[in-house]
Amino acid sequence: QVQLQESGPGLVKPSQTLSLTCTVSGDSISSGGYYWSWIRQHPGKGLEYIGYIYYSGTTYYNPSLKSRVSMSLDTSAKQFTLRLSSVTAADTAVYYCARRRGTTTSYFDSWGQGTLVTVSS
Amino acid sequence: DIQMTQSPSSLSASIGDRVTITCRASQNINRNLNWYQQKSGKAPKALIFAASSLQEGVPSRFSGSKSGTDFTLTISSLQPEDFATYYCQQSYSSEFTFGPGTTVDLK
Repeated sequence: QVQLQESGPGLVKPSQTLSLTCTVSGDSISSGGYYWSWIRQHPGKGLEYIGYIYYSGTTYYNPSLKSRVSMSLDTSAKQFTLRLSSVTAADTAVYYCARRRGTTTSYFDSWGQGTLVTVSS
Repeated sequence: DIQMTQSPSSLSASIGDRVTITCRASQNINRNLNWYQQKSGKAPKALIFAASSLQEGVPSRFSGSKSGTDFTLTISSLQPEDFATYYCQQSYSSEFTFGPGTTVDLK
């Protein structure tokens, strides 16, 4: 059974870069079929899809964040990473990594527990 | 952008009640609609994918359907562990937009 675990700083200063890593166990991230994704949830609010990275390195970023987001993959470590630059208080949220399965029928079937990132000086 | 709406935003129900939550997309999304359950302080959990397919391990009291442009999540007999917030999510366009959520609490 696949498990995902987020890690990274819980506090980031405004204008700096938020960096989070998701470590995957119980599955290989170097085989196809899954889109390794990031989703965030502002405090008390709904869910926002940030984007994904595929095992080939192909990425998709939500247009609303595209200019500030990058993702990378370390298949040997079974990790994928989110970087969000020039953060502001509006980026304060719980960040989840998730496995998205499927293409024509696609959904998030496994999630990490989430990590709260606060942007504050 | 595809916008998702849900109704109601919250509801109060009793154990054993039949609960229905509706989700609507701002444009046609075929059957590319998923449902998730989120309990307080926890990550969302997939319940239904492709409008009506039950995720492995999810109790059969949960079901999904589509009628016209509306999608429905039904809990046939509400159990104590079902009090949570439920989100729909479209997988038709790349943005994978979520609905605003429906909170189910105890009457």
